[in-house]
Amino acid sequence: DVQMTQSPSNLAASPGESVSINCKASKSISKYLAWYQQKPGKANKLLIYSGSTLQSGTPSRFSGSGSGTDFTLTIRNLEPEDFGLYYCQQHNEYPPTFGGGTKLELK
Amino acid sequence: QVQLKESGPGLVQPSQTLSLTCTVAGFSLTSYNVHWVRQPPGKGLEWMGVIWNTGGTRYNSALKSRLSISKDTSKSQVFLKMNSLQTEDTATYYCARDNYGGYRYFDFWGPGTMVTVSS
Repeated sequence: DVQMTQSPSNLAASPGESVSINCKASKSISKYLAWYQQKPGKANKLLIYSGSTLQSGTPSRFSGSGSGTDFTLTIRNLEPEDFGLYYCQQHNEYPPTFGGGTKLELK
Repeated sequence: QVQLKESGPGLVQPSQTLSLTCTVAGFSLTSYNVHWVRQPPGKGLEWMGVIWNTGGTRYNSALKSRLSISKDTSKSQVFLKMNSLQTEDTATYYCARDNYGGYRYFDFWGPGTMVTVSS
């Protein structure tokens, strides 16, 4: 199985700032990485797939980059609703596997 | 609009069988794959298995011996059964829709149902 390693585990930032979350795969997954947002009381939300393609409805302040084994989710100009948990997931092969998560907290 | 909702018992005794239902709306199970994903309290997400639009299935190798996924297309329901439950199976269980091309990322999720394994 492809192991996904996310960093950092925790991140504190203020509204208006920019942050980056990293995800590393144990082997090449080409471009096939998805990013999700998880918030209490809400369904998990797909933000980005295939490394950099924004899901319909994802604000343009979110961007994804990378290929092979190293990927980054960048959120520019943080809004209050952006705070929560973020997970990466490789969708190159079965079984789909997730990173351990990054908690983005308000500083 | 697209909706998925999980239902089932909140409490299961150790060694017993878990049965969950995912009821979907806004799309057909003959066109989309549906996955099950779980999350133990305070931990990350674990993919459990998928039932394809064709009815075929694939399971996480770690759960394969205990897990079964099926569906009733006419009722728009997907079923998960997992036997020999242990305390480490305590988790929130989610069903999620695969994207239209079946590329193994999940464009809609249910809200999840919490299952506690305890006597």
